[in-house]
Amino acid sequence: QVQLVESGGGVVQPGKSVTLSCAASGFVFSNFGMHWLRQAPGKGLEWVAGISFDGNNRYYGDSVKGRFTISRDNSKKTLNLQMHSLTAEDSAVYFCAKDGVRSYHPTWFDPWGQGTLVTVSS
Amino acid sequence: EIVLTQSPATLSLSPGERATLSCRASQSISTYLAWYQQKPGQAPRLLIYDTSNRATGIPARFSGSGSGTDFTLTIRSLEPEDFAVYYCQHRSSWPVTFGQGTRLEI
Repeated sequence: QVQLVESGGGVVQPGKSVTLSCAASGFVFSNFGMHWLRQAPGKGLEWVAGISFDGNNRYYGDSVKGRFTISRDNSKKTLNLQMHSLTAEDSAVYFCAKDGVRSYHPTWFDPWGQGTLVTVSS
Repeated sequence: EIVLTQSPATLSLSPGERATLSCRASQSISTYLAWYQQKPGQAPRLLIYDTSNRATGIPARFSGSGSGTDFTLTIRSLEPEDFAVYYCQHRSSWPVTFGQGTRLEI
């Protein structure tokens, strides 16, 4: 079955950087776009960034544009998110998710990983 | 960006009752709307995509309808496991956005 496992979360100081990873299995990774989404404690869902199945197209939410970089390694079936200049507002559970269908256009997200918690605090 | 507004914020019902959740878009999104269910401590689970298509393994008591700017998720006869938070999400354009959620409580 499709499985997505995030890692890399933890406590990070304001202004510092961290890289999250997502290991995928159970599907042809190179056929699907992938995304990072987040959920601050007690809050709703926010799409953060997406990357096309071939890595040629990357998309970012306004709140992270210029600070976060999404990337993928199709040979290793991994998705990454480099996060820089972190602030308290970036504290959240970060989920990776798979595109619902193969497309360059936005799709739904299915499934989601269990998430990794990033806490930005001094 | 397209804003999705969900109503009500909280819906209090009993098992066996019918639930009707609403999602309104700030501009037309055709039928490019999905619904997710999230339980405490869990990742969101896809229920419905493109307004009315049930995801794999989703029971038939879940149904979706609408087009343009107004959408509805209906749960025909609530089971105890249906009490959760529900989010809508559009895929009409970048950035995709979510509604703020509707909490369905007993």
